This record gives sequence, structure tokens and C-alpha cells, in this order.
Amino acid sequence: DTGVSQDPRHKITKRGQNVTFRCDPISEHNRLYWYRQTLGQGPEFLTYFQNEAQLEKSRLLSDRFSAERPKGSFSTLEIQRTEQGDSAMYLCASSRQGPDQPQHFGDGTRLSIL
Amino acid sequence: TQLLEQSPQFLSIQEGENLTVYCNSSSVFSSLQWYRQEPGEGPVLLVTVVTGGEVKKLKRLTFQFGDARKDSSLHITAAQPGDTGLYLCAVPHNAGGTSYGKLTFGQGTILTVHP
Repeated sequence: DTGVSQDPRHKITKRGQNVTFRCDPISEHNRLYWYRQTLGQGPEFLTYFQNEAQLEKSRLLSDRFSAERPKGSFSTLEIQRTEQGDSAMYLCASSRQGPDQPQHFGDGTRLSIL
Repeated sequence: TQLLEQSPQFLSIQEGENLTVYCNSSSVFSSLQWYRQEPGEGPVLLVTVVTGGEVKKLKRLTFQFGDARKDSSLHITAAQPGDTGLYLCAVPHNAGGTSYGKLTFGQGTILTVHP
């Protein structure tokens, strides 16, 4: 169990640029989740995958956000035309399928928009 | 309106003191989880409580699920500087035995324990 890995850990970019984050889940976990967390607040759900299928997207996930998990393993989260309000920590988590299966979180990607 | 209301939002105490953090809602949950998050890291699951009235202990941490499964508390005895962090409660979205996967978190309690 090598844990959930996220890359990069930090990203600084100018407003209007596109950014892409990667998440590598725990290998035997078929569920993968993306959350966003602002300073001093709890994480907010963005979207989740079961294998390669994206099963739910939050209203927080505007048209500028897209997530993929093409082979049911790693996932990418892309933000196009970044805005100041996109500055946050983006957390990835993975779990096995089933009720009350614990989610294991990565250490996140901190995005700062200049 | 937050589904889960955590209180207090901030807590600053001296080493050796006891403290309690609360997580309240008007909704009934099948289970509730507590996480601890340190700066620059992801949340780490501490415990899951499932049964109304359940009490679980993890060293100096005691977790209780309300009888009606609407609220929970986390009590820390003899706090230490290493307990410093953001404490989050969270509930999974389950309905009719189907797990919908996503977690809804409270806004968290930021705990600082001074030496």
C-alpha cells in the first residue's frame, strides 16, 4: 500500500492559464474522488469515478473543470482559463467499492492563481 | 446551510488540558467519520461510528455517536502539541444500502495545543 499520490504538490500560475493535476490511487481501489478545500474549511466534493466511469459531478464543477480516468487507474483534473477563485487545495482520495469503505486521501495539490 | 455544523471553529489550549469538539446536524446518518488533517497534508481517517450511542476510543481520543445518529463528539484527554491540527467530521451519502461514495464534511475545528 503505497498510498494515494498527487502531482504536482504545488502549482502557481497566472489567471487565464490552463492547469492539469494528476492523481494515482491505491492500486486495488476502484473508486476515485476529487475534492476542493479552501483554507480553514472542510473539503468539498467535486466528482468521483468508479473504475473509468464518472458517476457524479458537483455543481461546483463548472464547465471549465474536467476530470478523466481513462483506464480506471490514474485520474487527471484539468482547469481551463483559471480564475482567482480557483485558488485552493485539490485533494484526491480513493477507496474500495461498498458502503462505508474508508477513503484514503493524498496530500493534495495546492493551486495558487496570480 | 451546512449539513454538518462543527463547534468550536477554533480551539487554543495548553498541553495537558481536556477538550471536546462537536459535530451536529438535523439529519440522521447511517454512519459518521472523524478525520484529522495536518497543514500541507490530506485528511487521515481516525474512526467511523455506526451505531447510535456508540463510543469508540483511540488512545486519548474518545468518539461518541449520538443516540439518534444526528450528532457526534470527539473528546481529547490530556492534549499534547502533537494533537494540533484540523479535526473534521464527515458523512457518506448512502441510500437504501447503496453507497454513493461522496463524503460531506463539516467546516472543521482548528485545534492548537501549546507546550
